Amino acid sequence: RKEVEQDPGPFNVPEGATVAFNCTYSNSASQSFFWYRQDCRKEPKLLMSVYSSGNEDGRFTAQLNRASQYISLLIRDSKLSDSATYLCVVNKNGNKLVFGAGTILRVKS
Amino acid sequence: GAVVSQHPSWVICKSGTSVKIECRSLDFQATTMFWYRQFPKQSLMLMATSNEGSKATYEQGVEKDKFLINHASLTLSTLTVTSAHPEDSSFYICSARDGGPGNTIYFGEGSWLTVV
Repeated sequence: RKEVEQDPGPFNVPEGATVAFNCTYSNSASQSFFWYRQDCRKEPKLLMSVYSSGNEDGRFTAQLNRASQYISLLIRDSKLSDSATYLCVVNKNGNKLVFGAGTILRVKS
Repeated sequence: GAVVSQHPSWVICKSGTSVKIECRSLDFQATTMFWYRQFPKQSLMLMATSNEGSKATYEQGVEKDKFLINHASLTLSTLTVTSAHPEDSSFYICSARDGGPGNTIYFGEGSWLTVV
């Protein structure tokens, strides 16, 4: 079983739609959680950290359920520029990041 | 602008030759840097943790004699792919932790290696 699992998609949505991605992780001792965005042939860029209480940054909302070892990302009012691969990332220990394979989002006009 | 710089961005080399990739932290000192590899449509896989002034720590399955890592200063780590083969063709990317208050991890822009 992979340490971090994501639905690869692709999710094809129209502009303005709301879309949600899910992620599960296997190591219950994982300490911190993130969503990164990766554009084609580019490096990953931090989108947001994920906190137990849930957190929001503009159109993006992240949720963490430690009991279920489940992380989610909700994107509201999708823009064309949101098209990318979204990586669920878990900090296993220290600063070792474990990446999911990513979920592809395509927003179309 | 980028706070972690990688060079080269693209490299094509012949099979059997060695290639060096540099990773520099531009605005901060990084005692620890990380090297990842990403094959097409796959996740980033951690290859090794590069520690300034000491030997790198390699992940299971990564050949330390093939992927030489040197972290000679607080702002520079290098990855050398020795005797490269076509199966080593991949996207190699480094990251560095800013030990400041934010404790943020920054990624380099990545290096595309093609071995022909």
